[in-house]
Amino acid sequence: KQEVTQIPAALSVPEGENLVLNCSFTDSAIYNLQWFRQDPGKGLTSLLLIQSSQREQTSGRLNASLDKSSGRSTLYIAASQPGDSATYICAVSFQGGSEKLVFGKGMKLTVNP
Amino acid sequence: NAGVTQTPKFRILKIGQSMTLQCTQDMNHNYMYWYRQDPGMGLKLIYYSVGAGITDKGEVPNGYNVSRSTTEDFPLRLELAAPSQTSVYFCASSLFRNEQYFGPGTRLTVT
Repeated sequence: KQEVTQIPAALSVPEGENLVLNCSFTDSAIYNLQWFRQDPGKGLTSLLLIQSSQREQTSGRLNASLDKSSGRSTLYIAASQPGDSATYICAVSFQGGSEKLVFGKGMKLTVNP
Repeated sequence: NAGVTQTPKFRILKIGQSMTLQCTQDMNHNYMYWYRQDPGMGLKLIYYSVGAGITDKGEVPNGYNVSRSTTEDFPLRLELAAPSQTSVYFCASSLFRNEQYFGPGTRLTVT
């Protein structure tokens, strides 16, 4: 079964820390992987998309890496700020299946001032 | 450019009632999706469409129906609402299997 796992489910850190958020998936045959941010009561906002042929993508203070062979992706957040507090969700589009994304349950991040 | 819009934002239904959740995108995306999000769970795909006139079932299609008569619109129909359909519903769109863009969601309660 194709699954996406995010551990831990929640993380609380002081402002200024560099953070690594983890995402693991069960099948290395992926089409792409997407990281989202969700604020309470809101929809999902796309942060980064990594295609299967790529190793990493960067946007501002965010950097996402992809290691298909180990079934892992990491989202790196530099110099965290209270405004980064949100739930971060990893989603994978697997090869050979339908066009659906398989979502992790998310990791709730709290950055304390 | 409004992106993906959804209406209504909130709705309370009685068991057995029906309703349509509206979704519109103005990005000329060919792929559209309906997901539901339950507390503590990952999003689950209900239905998706790869173009006007083409729809297909996702993981949890029972109790729902969709249609796609235009590129822009992808309504989700709930027939005979049940408490198990209490959830937050998200519509999304993408250009082929690329980056998905989400609407703000509809919070539905069935009592």
